[in-house]
Amino acid sequence: GENVEQHPSTLSVQEGDSAVIKCTYSDSASNYFPWYKQELGKRPQLIIDIRSNVGEKKDQRIAVTLNKTAKHFSLHITETQPEDSAVYFCAAARTSYGKLTFGQGTILTVHP
Amino acid sequence: NAGVTQTPKFQVLKTGQSMTLQCAQDMNHEYMSWYRQDPGMGLRLIHYSVGAGITDQGEVPNGYNVSRSTTEDFPLRLLSAAPSQTSVYFCASSERGGLSYEQYFGPGTRLTVT
Repeated sequence: GENVEQHPSTLSVQEGDSAVIKCTYSDSASNYFPWYKQELGKRPQLIIDIRSNVGEKKDQRIAVTLNKTAKHFSLHITETQPEDSAVYFCAAARTSYGKLTFGQGTILTVHP
Repeated sequence: NAGVTQTPKFQVLKTGQSMTLQCAQDMNHEYMSWYRQDPGMGLRLIHYSVGAGITDQGEVPNGYNVSRSTTEDFPLRLLSAAPSQTSVYFCASSERGGLSYEQYFGPGTRLTVT
């Protein structure tokens, strides 16, 4: 089955800095890679996703890059703000299977 | 649309008791999943379903049963609760095919087994 490793487990940055979270996956047939943000006591919510036929995707301050050859993908947040503080999860899936395998999560803290 | 709903929000069980966590979605999604979330462990898949009448095991299925008799509902049954099942449980649903593979999560059920 799929295995997703996520690093770092905690990340602390100053407001305005950039934050990068990295994930690796094991199943070369995985073709969908979402990122979820979870605030304390809340449900996970999708912030950005990428499919295997795309190398990079941006949405305002958030970007995701995918390297299929190396089987890793990364989340980049620029100009971080205190409200970006949360737990971020990467995941990987074969879309035909309908199930996600999640990484262990990264606790991001943005200090004002 | 209510999206994905879960009941109850909180539950305390004694070891050995059984119960059913309810999950429903009104988006006509074919895919539904159950995850448990433990500190430092991320979200781990318990069981999932690709349509009514079809279920399969995920990463941590032991001690749990599921059934999918309708597209809308996907209940999770704890057969004989154990302290190791203390966790937050999330139900999620997604479309099959289409333009989006986004999984929509319910608000979660916080379960404590004493």
